[in-house]
Amino acid sequence: DTGVSQDPRHKITKRGQNVTFRCDPISEHNRLYWYRQTLGQGPEFLTYFQNEAQLEKSRLLSDRFSAERPKGSFSTLEIQRTEQGDSAMYLCASSLEGGRGYGYTFGSGTRLTVV
Amino acid sequence: GENVEQHPSTLSVQEGDSAVIKCTYSDSASNYFPWYKQELGKRPQLIIDIRSNVGEKKDQRIAVTLNKTAKHFSLHITETQPEDSAVYFCAASPTYGQNFVFGPGTRLSVLP
Repeated sequence: DTGVSQDPRHKITKRGQNVTFRCDPISEHNRLYWYRQTLGQGPEFLTYFQNEAQLEKSRLLSDRFSAERPKGSFSTLEIQRTEQGDSAMYLCASSLEGGRGYGYTFGSGTRLTVV
Repeated sequence: GENVEQHPSTLSVQEGDSAVIKCTYSDSASNYFPWYKQELGKRPQLIIDIRSNVGEKKDQRIAVTLNKTAKHFSLHITETQPEDSAVYFCAASPTYGQNFVFGPGTRLSVLP
């Protein structure tokens, strides 16, 4: 599969626990994005990397959230001290700067449930 | 910042009829407008997009129109089929490669 891969597909955690998600973008894509999607809503932007540099963060990304892309390839999104309001689908997407298509390719997402 | 509104929130059409979904945006700096289709439990998939220097774009049964003056753009699906049933999201982006602002989605049901 040469698409965007996310792991795990589902995560159930107890409130207060930390969770970490991984995203592997399409290999030649240098831009990587994290979005959050709640039921019945469109995706909401969280953060964006160009290569290893985190260039933009949404106000939605509270201090409990941190994202990294250490080598400019895969990325991780960590949520510390999870809250029930963090329950959502976390989507990763990638794109190629200067590519023919401007649109993202999304991964299948990680569905987080905080109980 | 950018704000994208989308109407209607739900749309039911008979198979073979046309479907139109409309979006408005607030930031005149936005210059790229993609449309995504999301089937239940699946990832959003890009189906068509349009840049601000183009007024209309068509790909088989799907077309998108853009009115920059009025700051609205629309998705048109002709000869709808049951497999077109999904949630459709419009989005706007002020510059290529940075964040998209998505609309709330339209649930399209194509009735046989």
